[in-house]
Amino acid sequence: AQSVTQLGSHVSVSEGALVLLRCNYSSSVPPYLFWYVQYPNQGLQLLLKYTTGATLVKGINGFEAEFKKSETSFHLTKPSAHMSDAAEYFCAVSFYGNNRLAFGKGNQVVVIP
Amino acid sequence: GAVVSQHPSRVICKSGTSVKIECRSLDFQATTMFWYRQFPKQSLMLMATSNEGSKATYEQGVEKDKFLINHASLTLSTLTVTSAHPEDSSFYICSAAGQGSYEQYFGPGTRLTVT
Repeated sequence: AQSVTQLGSHVSVSEGALVLLRCNYSSSVPPYLFWYVQYPNQGLQLLLKYTTGATLVKGINGFEAEFKKSETSFHLTKPSAHMSDAAEYFCAVSFYGNNRLAFGKGNQVVVIP
Repeated sequence: GAVVSQHPSRVICKSGTSVKIECRSLDFQATTMFWYRQFPKQSLMLMATSNEGSKATYEQGVEKDKFLINHASLTLSTLTVTSAHPEDSSFYICSAAGQGSYEQYFGPGTRLTVT
């Protein structure tokens, strides 16, 4: 069965430090991959996505992610955390290339001054 | 582009009443709309998928008689929570996708509180 795994519900990072959020999926077919950010009481905002082509994708707010097929991973990184990065982050996968999404459980990122 | 709105943003209703939430795609035609429910500190749970002009497809465990979904036009879908109970209190989020598109655009969500 297809699934999306995000480990570590809460992630604390110091301001200026590397942000690393891990996402792994299980699928027998190439998926489309997404990272979304959610601020309190708001909907989801797309950070970045991978469909085809270059496996390193850059998104908004300085985030990037790399699709590694051999590791079935799509980890999200940002070199230097900012206070405004404090939010909930969701990895999502579209299996079979259709528009139906499966979400990971999310990571609550806390940025420590 | 690709803006999705929801109305209302917050609603409080009494137990036993019904409440309707609207989801609109403002600048594109949404052939498919999705309704999600999100509990505090949890991920999004897909409730149903609706295609314009067709009956919605509900996920397992979602009561279709309780959560009525209508997708009568390419820019509007509605979710009606019938005979609401306190356990229906939640954050409801819709999303929309265009014809042949794999990407969903999300609305800002509606906070429902049933007293």
